[in-house]
Amino acid sequence: EDQVTQSPEALRLQEGESSSLNCSYTVSGLRGLFWYRQDPGKGPEFLFTLYSAGEEKEKERLKATLTKKESFLHITAPKPEDSATYLCAVVEGYSTLTFGKGTMLLVSP
Amino acid sequence: EADIYQTPRYLVIGTGKKITLECSQTMGHDKMYWYQQDPGMELHLIHYSYGVNSTEKGDLSSESTVSRIRTEHFPLTLESARPSHTSQYLCASSSYDLEPQHFGDGTRLSIL
Repeated sequence: EDQVTQSPEALRLQEGESSSLNCSYTVSGLRGLFWYRQDPGKGPEFLFTLYSAGEEKEKERLKATLTKKESFLHITAPKPEDSATYLCAVVEGYSTLTFGKGTMLLVSP
Repeated sequence: EADIYQTPRYLVIGTGKKITLECSQTMGHDKMYWYQQDPGMELHLIHYSYGVNSTEKGDLSSESTVSRIRTEHFPLTLESARPSHTSQYLCASSSYDLEPQHFGDGTRLSIL
């Protein structure tokens, strides 16, 4: 049973077409949820950490939100350079990071 | 910007060879990690270290071994490479458990 599930697996948007990526988790003692961006041939690059339900963080065209069961990464008016795979990961208790499989985003001009 | 380096970036090698993947960080982080990532799949933790002379196995069983003799260096070794070891290996570091992990750009390993 997956602890972290990301949807959709892939998403194709036109430039300027806003959308949201979902990360649902089943861990009970969530201590933190992380969003990363990964470009082809590169390691993941940190975007946000969320610690508690109701928390929101923003950076440029990205906004991350957290509830007790899921997190959303909202992308407003995306540009082609936002194309990447977006990874979600959680920390439960005193364990290490558990990653989802990611959402591959392609933004066409 | 994170300073964590992995070498080599790409390695194609024959079955049975001994391989060492290098990972170094210049941030003075105590915690270091090795992940394995296959295309379209999640990152799986294979080894981690919370400091010098500390190493632990991760969630994914791996035939590799690691050592942590210096804070900045966390090499991963495969004694006898097999085609099933073909994958991307990512190294990361952090200063405490809820700080974001900083990743290197990975080593893409192909065993023929």
